[in-house]
Parts: sequence; structure tokens; C-alpha cells
Amino acid sequence: DQQVKQNSPSLSVQEGRISILNCDYTNSMFDYFLWYKKYPAEGPTFLISISSIKDKNEDGRFTVFLNKSAKHLSLHIVPSQPGDSAVYFCAATHGFGNEKLTFGTGTRLTIIP
Amino acid sequence: DVKVTQSSRYLVKRTGEKVFLECVQDMDHENMFWYRQDPGLGLRLIYFSYDVKMKEKGDIPEGYSVSREKKERFSLILESASTNQTSMYLCASSFTGFNQPQHFGDGTRLSIL
Repeated sequence: DQQVKQNSPSLSVQEGRISILNCDYTNSMFDYFLWYKKYPAEGPTFLISISSIKDKNEDGRFTVFLNKSAKHLSLHIVPSQPGDSAVYFCAATHGFGNEKLTFGTGTRLTIIP
Repeated sequence: DVKVTQSSRYLVKRTGEKVFLECVQDMDHENMFWYRQDPGLGLRLIYFSYDVKMKEKGDIPEGYSVSREKKERFSLILESASTNQTSMYLCASSFTGFNQPQHFGDGTRLSIL
């Protein structure tokens, strides 16, 4: 039972354009969402997060949007750079102090120079 | 910077062997986690610990056990390794509390022959 889904295994985007990565979830109890970025041979690194009380959170080139009614979140990267080429995982959790994350299956983003 | 160190980057073992994977963190985090990452399945939680000598099962605990004798160290044990445990294993740690991101080690690529 995949509670967090990333339906696009891969995505290619031209350098300088916008990259949009999507994530859907089924568990309505989730109230905190995170995006992690993973390079080959390295562990995932935390990128950006959003609480369910917000619908948008921005950090530099990265913006996460949350649509609770659709149980959908997306990560926008503008402008895309070659160093953004990596696998991106979305993750979700619920409840204060519950640090147990449920991860999606990942999307491999390739930025074309 | 948070440092999560996994003892081995690559490990090759035989079926039936008892295998120990070690993880150490230097940030005094209360919580520590073990995941495995497989293609098309994302990261799946095996076990986590929220305090010394405390542990909780994750989503796929079968065939594994854990040990946390000291706050900074969390060990994953494969009691009798099998080929379906060939995978990338990732350790993570975090503080307790709402919205605390997890910090990951670089992973151990384990092959069971």
C-alpha cells in the first residue's frame, strides 16, 4: 500500500527552465511534507518542507506547493541548473513528535545543458 | 554540520551469515532510523529508535533486528542473511519534535551471495 506516490520515475528539463516534480498521497492524516534530494553514492539531503497549515513554502529557487483537497504536492525549481540533476524523494508524516517518514519512490531529474 | 557515518560503503556477505551494519551520529539526536532503498520502491523504514535501548518496528522489520546501547550509535543486524536482503541501507538521525528533518548517512551497499 503505497501511501506516498511519485508517478513520474524520470523527468528531463532544459537548463534555465522550470522543473516541476509531483507527489500524491492517500493518507489524510499526513500533516507535514518534505522533499529530499539524492545524488548517486550519497545519502538523501533535506531540501524543503511544508506544513499542512500552509499551501506554499519558498526557499530560493525551490518552492513547494500543497493542495490538501487533492492530496497533492509539487516541487518547483526555477531556474533549473545542471547541479539539480538528482533523484528527488517526497516524504510525509503526521502528528507532533512522530518522526516516522513515509517516502515516495523518487523521481530522477536530469537537467540538459 | 550534522555527520551521520555508516561503517562500510560496500559489503559482500554469504547467505546465512550474521551481518552487522553500524551507524554513528555526532549531533546528539534522540532518534535514529534504518531504511533500505530499492529501485522502484523508494526508501522503506526497517526500524527506528527514539531513545537508548528503545526501538520500534518500521514497515519491513522481518529478518532484521537492531541495537542501541549508546545514544550516538545504532546497529542493524541481519540475523541470517538472505539474497533478498541485497540492497542499499541508509541510516538517519533527527531531533525529537515537530518538523525536525532527518539527516542521512551515505549508505551501505550490501550484497548477499
